[in-house]
This record gives sequence, C-alpha cells and structure tokens, in this order.
Amino acid sequence: GNSVTQMEGPVTLSEEAFLTINCTYTATGYPSLFWYVQYPGEGLQLLLKATKADDKGSNKGFEATYRKETTSFHLEKGSVQVSDSAVYFCALRTRTASKLTFGTGTRLQVTL
Amino acid sequence: DAGVIQSPRHEVTEMGQEVTLRCKPISGHDYLFWYRQTMMRGLELLIYFNNNVPIDDSGMPEDRFSAKMPNASFSTLKIQPSEPRDSAVYFCASSGQNSNQPQHFGDGTRLSIL
Repeated sequence: GNSVTQMEGPVTLSEEAFLTINCTYTATGYPSLFWYVQYPGEGLQLLLKATKADDKGSNKGFEATYRKETTSFHLEKGSVQVSDSAVYFCALRTRTASKLTFGTGTRLQVTL
Repeated sequence: DAGVIQSPRHEVTEMGQEVTLRCKPISGHDYLFWYRQTMMRGLELLIYFNNNVPIDDSGMPEDRFSAKMPNASFSTLKIQPSEPRDSAVYFCASSGQNSNQPQHFGDGTRLSIL
C-alpha cells in the first residue's frame, strides 16, 4: 500500500533560519507528490507539488525536489519567517488511487 | 474562482442532536472527500465520492455517520445521534480526475458536541 513518513515535530526555529522537513514515501505506481500547509484555524492549502522524478516544486520561498531514487520529497526554505509557523503535511497521489495519502504533519514554530 | 465552501463554520450542539454539515465543491471537480481532524487522531479520511457516487466509506466511524451527494455541487455529512467524541474539525475537499491534480480544501466546520 501507499504510505508517507514525515519527521516528527514540533520543529522550533529562529527567524531567518534554514528549514528542512523530511518526507519519504512508499507507493505502488508512480505518484504525484504534494506539500500542504495548515495555518492555525484554517484548512489545508496546497503549498507546492511535483509530478515526476527530478521535478522541483516551489512557492513562497519553499522548495521540494522529487527524488525517486531515495523516495523522498523534503521541504526546504532558506530563511523562515514567523508567519511560516504552521503545520506542514506531505502527501502523495498515484494514478491508480484517487485519494491522497497524507503524512502525520509536522508543526513548525518560528520565533523572533 | 470560488473554492470549496463549507457550512456552517462552527456548530455547537448537545449530544443526541442531529448534525448536518454541508459542502459545495469546486465546479468541475469529479471527486469529493470528507475528512475529520482531531488532536488525538490527526487527519482522517471518512468517505469520498466520484461523480456523486460513494467509492470508499471505510473511514466512517459508525452507523451514526452518513454522507450523501445528491448532485455534483452539493454534499452533506450527517451525524445522528451526535456524541461528545464526535467533536472535531470536519473538512471537505474536492479534486479533478488526474493524479497530478491536488485536492482543494474548504475552511472546515468546527463541531463541538456538549
């Protein structure tokens, strides 16, 4: 079956620090990969996606590269801001499965 | 473009009462999903529809929960009778047919059962 494993949180960083949130996956078939962000009191929003190997998704300074050889899709940002404090979810969708498989989410707290 | 619209945003009711949550998906999307999110259990998929037909309801916790999609632009999730352990945030999401298309989420309904 399909599964997504994310690093445990919470992750606490100072403003302007470098962020990495690890995500690895197991999938039957060739998945599309997604990162979602959930700000306090809100729904999940798509942050970025990648649909084939070596694709890099990017948005709002965040990046993630689809690494088929390591089955990974790690989220990175060079300089985090307090406003980036949220829960981040890694997810996948395969051609044979219409639903998303989510990781458990990683809470990021950025302090001044 | 209008996103996924859920109503109500908040619902507080007493146990034993019937609760109905509503969702309007993005126009043209073939799939509709209902999720529940709690601190203890995280994000759980309850049920999803394809072209208004329920495909997988294995996540529905009990017979007290039911979901319908009478047409492409409307779905309901009903809890009858409600219990305090049903308190959670319920999200609706919709997506297109292709695997490279993401799900789009509504803002959720925060449900409190007293």
